[in-house]
Parts: sequence; C-alpha cells; structure tokens
Amino acid sequence: GESVGLHLPTLSVQEGDNSIINCAYSNSASDYFIWYKQESGKGPQFIIDIRSNMDKRQGQRVTVLLNKTVKHLSLQIAATQPGDSAVYFCAENKKAGTALIFGKGTTLSVSS
Amino acid sequence: EPEVTQTPSHQVTQMGQEVILRCVPISNHLYFYWYRQILGQKVEFLVSFYNNEISEKSEIFDDQFSVERPDGSNFTLKIRSTKLEDSAMYFCASRTHRGRDEQFFGPGTRLTVL
Repeated sequence: GESVGLHLPTLSVQEGDNSIINCAYSNSASDYFIWYKQESGKGPQFIIDIRSNMDKRQGQRVTVLLNKTVKHLSLQIAATQPGDSAVYFCAENKKAGTALIFGKGTTLSVSS
Repeated sequence: EPEVTQTPSHQVTQMGQEVILRCVPISNHLYFYWYRQILGQKVEFLVSFYNNEISEKSEIFDDQFSVERPDGSNFTLKIRSTKLEDSAMYFCASRTHRGRDEQFFGPGTRLTVL
C-alpha cells in the first residue's frame, strides 16, 4: 500500500552531536513532505517541509533532504539539544493541504 | 503565536455513548482536519473540511462520525456511539489558504472509552 515509514524506531545521541532521522516513502506521486516533532502529551509540531521539486531545504538547525530516486527523506538536526528529545514523524501527501499520511515515528533521545 | 486549541483535554465515556470533541482552529484559517492516534501508533487521518463541507475522508470516518462548524470559530467531531476501539488521542489541525501548506495541530483530546 501507499505509506510512509521510518527506518529506525529509536535513536540515541549525545548533546551536541548531529542527528539524522530517516524515512522511506512508497508513493512516487507524493508532492509534499513534512517533518513533525511530537513531545509527550502534545500534538505534532511542524518542523520543516519540502516539495517534490526540491532536494534540500534548510531551516534553523534543521535540514531536510529528499531523494526521489530512492524515495528517501531525511531530517538532519545540527548540535542536538536535550530539548530535541521527542518522537519525529515524516508525513507526505499528494498535494499540499490534503490528507497527511504519517509514518510510524522515530523516538530521539538526547543525553547530556 | 496563534494556536489551535482543543477541549476537553481528556474525555472518559461509556461504550455506546455519544461524544463531541471541540476545536478552535487558528483564526483566518479555512481548512480544518481531524486526525487520531491510538496509543503507541502513528497519526491517522480522519477527515478534512473546507467551505462548510467535507472535502476528504478516510475509511475510519464511517457513519458513526460527523463534523460540524457550528459557528465562526468552533470545529467539532462527533462520535455517535463510541466503541472501545475509538479510544485514542484526537487531534484537530487547521491550515491557512494563503500560500502556506503546513497543517497546524492542536494539543489533542484523549478519549477513553470504557
């Protein structure tokens, strides 16, 4: 079926390290991809997005990379901080604004 | 910064009862969504709403579910006869129509069906 998934359910890093969270998607028709962060007991919080006509987009301390050839999406977090500890979901849809299809999530744990 | 708000934060109900989950989307947003997340699982789309009608819905959104925008600020999800498997976090989201694509999520309502 058409779905978005993540390679690893958990990732543990030291404070100050760079983190890379990966996601594979299966729907080649998807046009829009988003990374969300979800802290315990809260709703998903938008981090960064990218359209299918781009392969890289940078934000503050975060970078999203899109490789359409292998249908792979990644989120890079520079200088990871304890406050970055959360579950990270990638999501995609065929057209911005339509139903988001979420992956299963990667739990990022940052130790001091 | 404007936020999506949801009430109640936690709702406990008996199986077979009706529940209404309430959301106040971000002001001037025109697209509204409901998603749910069963404990430990991924977020799942339920329904989207625009211009006072459903624009898209998933297989989960069966006849037991309905949505309404009763006034200019609230957006509600009603479950007519709750089942045990309806227990989940329910998230409301909204999106502007002005050139930005991201959906902003509320904090969620935890629904527990006993």
